[in-house]
Amino acid sequence: NAGVTQTPKFQVLKTGQSMTLQCAQDMNHNSMYWYRQDPGMGLRLIYYSASEGTTDKGEVPNGYNVSRLNKREFSLRLESAAPSQTSVYFCAIVQLGGHSIQYFGAGTRLSVL
Amino acid sequence: DQQVKQNSPSLSVQEGRISILNCDYTNSMFDYFLWYKKYPAEGPTFLISISSIKDKNEDGRFTVFLNKSAKHLSLHIVPSQPGDSAVYFCAARTSSTGTASKLTFGTGTRLQVTL
Repeated sequence: NAGVTQTPKFQVLKTGQSMTLQCAQDMNHNSMYWYRQDPGMGLRLIYYSASEGTTDKGEVPNGYNVSRLNKREFSLRLESAAPSQTSVYFCAIVQLGGHSIQYFGAGTRLSVL
Repeated sequence: DQQVKQNSPSLSVQEGRISILNCDYTNSMFDYFLWYKKYPAEGPTFLISISSIKDKNEDGRFTVFLNKSAKHLSLHIVPSQPGDSAVYFCAARTSSTGTASKLTFGTGTRLQVTL
């Protein structure tokens, strides 16, 4: 998956619990993204980061926070998980010099009960 | 407001035949289009792309056609193989400077290639 590592691969939470999804890249790319994929909805952008220390909201940011502490890592945090956040989460990076071609990690499957 | 639409949720094609996946968009500011392929339990993988200044791009068995006046994109797979069975996402980029580029994805079409 183009040097994008997501952890964990699976997680089950109870409503109200918090957790952090981790994404790490070993390709020294600047831009990183978090998406969620739901049946019939395609991939929707949650947050993205153009560079270390900067983050911006995407299409569906409510209920999430992100952190880009260094160039390599971009984390997604659910402070108080809700059943509506049951989804598959993907992290992506953009190759330097590429035409916005994004490369994805293998995903984290999250269930909130 | 779905700016990128894939109106066919699924498609079944026989092995060896042509698969045609369609995508429509509404935002005339999109300047670059991509197709991704996704297998179950894996992340999407980049397949092929096309700039808005072109109307066709070919890579082996895969060809993408762009009709800007109709705001329509299609992916042709010839010949189709069982390994092509996957979900295909169309995506579009709005050109931007000074910030990370963003993609808007369609809802996907599940292609099944039968023997």
